Amino acid sequence: AQTVTQSQPEMSVQEAETVTLSCTYDTSENNYYLFWYKQPPSRQMILVIRQEAYKQQNATENRFSVNFQKAAKSFSLKISDSQLGDTAMYFCAFTGLLNYGGSQGNLIFGKGTKLSVKP
Amino acid sequence: IAGITQAPTSQILAAGRRMTLRCTQDMRHNAMYWYRQDLGLGLRLIHYSNTAGTTGKGEVPDGYSVSRANTDDFPLTLASAVPSQTSVYFCASRERGSGPYEQYFGPGTRLTVT
Repeated sequence: AQTVTQSQPEMSVQEAETVTLSCTYDTSENNYYLFWYKQPPSRQMILVIRQEAYKQQNATENRFSVNFQKAAKSFSLKISDSQLGDTAMYFCAFTGLLNYGGSQGNLIFGKGTKLSVKP
Repeated sequence: IAGITQAPTSQILAAGRRMTLRCTQDMRHNAMYWYRQDLGLGLRLIHYSNTAGTTGKGEVPDGYSVSRANTDDFPLTLASAVPSQTSVYFCASRERGSGPYEQYFGPGTRLTVT
């Protein structure tokens, strides 16, 4: 069974600085997808970035980038130039290919990292 | 509307009562999911449906049932609520297929069982 581990329950960063959130996962599949979701106090789940396992290039979305290490099964999120609006819960999530290895296309989530950006 | 709606937004329910959480999407997505979010545990899959007329059990299905009579609606029913079902419930949908499709989430329902 696939698992996702986020080892940092809480983190804080000063505004305008850079922070990295860690995520490791376990799977026997070769092809899969990884995501980072943001959940601000409003409770809404917002997709931040996605990575396809067969792509070696790390995904980037504006101030958000990932460091994807497939062999190490590591998928960390880097937030550059942190802003107050980045304060949120961040979830790392995994999904296998639909109908491969029992996947139903659902997301398997880590327990989350609560990030506070301080002025 | 565009996206997923859930109702109610929040509810306080007496133990033993029956409750249906509603979920509707207008994106014509085939796949839909119900997750529960508990502090320190992240989101866990309760039930899923890959297409209208089919459903399946997720990681934590006990005490819950679902139906999928059409593409748009995916209600979640608690037949006899218990305090351990106090949680925030999210409905989600995605395109069916093997691509890295984004899951779209509803705003969630906060349920308290007393």
